[in-house]
Amino acid sequence: AQSVTQPDIHITVSEGASLELRCNYSYGATPYLFWYVQSPGQGLQLLLKYFSGDTLVQGIKGFEAEFKRSQSSFNLRKPSVHWSDAAEYFCAVGGPAAGNKLTFGGGTRVLVKP
Amino acid sequence: DAGVIQSPRHEVTEMGQEVTLRCKPISGHNSLFWYRQTMMRGLELLIYFNNNVPIDDSGMPEDRFSAKMPNASFSTLKIQPSEPRDSAVYFCASSSPGRGGLQETQYFGPGTRLLVL
Repeated sequence: AQSVTQPDIHITVSEGASLELRCNYSYGATPYLFWYVQSPGQGLQLLLKYFSGDTLVQGIKGFEAEFKRSQSSFNLRKPSVHWSDAAEYFCAVGGPAAGNKLTFGGGTRVLVKP
Repeated sequence: DAGVIQSPRHEVTEMGQEVTLRCKPISGHNSLFWYRQTMMRGLELLIYFNNNVPIDDSGMPEDRFSAKMPNASFSTLKIQPSEPRDSAVYFCASSSPGRGGLQETQYFGPGTRLLVL
């Protein structure tokens, strides 16, 4: 069965500092990987996705993620955080082998200090 | 495109009452997903449809929950009777077939925040 682990429940970062959110997955085939962001009281917005090809994926809002098959990881990064990046971030895995169902991690809540 | 539309955005009801949540997927999308989000259990997939047909309802908690998709532009999730433990945010998402007919990105609606007293 597929699963996603986001080891960090909360992360606090200063505005302007870099951010890295960890995601480890378990999947029986080549995965489709996603990062979504959820602002308070809002739905989930797609930041970026990986299906195949270049393992470094660029997304919206200055985010990027790198797929590392050997480590079963898909960590999300941003070089310089803005106060508006305070939100909850979810990593998800899916793909044809899973009937296109997505499994989400527990989320990482990011707090941005001024 | 207006995105995935859900109604109502908020619902407060009393235990035992029937609750109906509604979803309009993005036009042209042929898969629809219902999720529930709680603090304790995170995001859980309840059921999903492909071409209006329920494909996997293994996440539906119990018989009190039912979902329908009478046409490509509308779906409902019904809880009857509702219980306090059903309080959660319910999200609808839709996706379209990508390469080789495989489903790609799911786009989420704003959610319905349900409180059962």
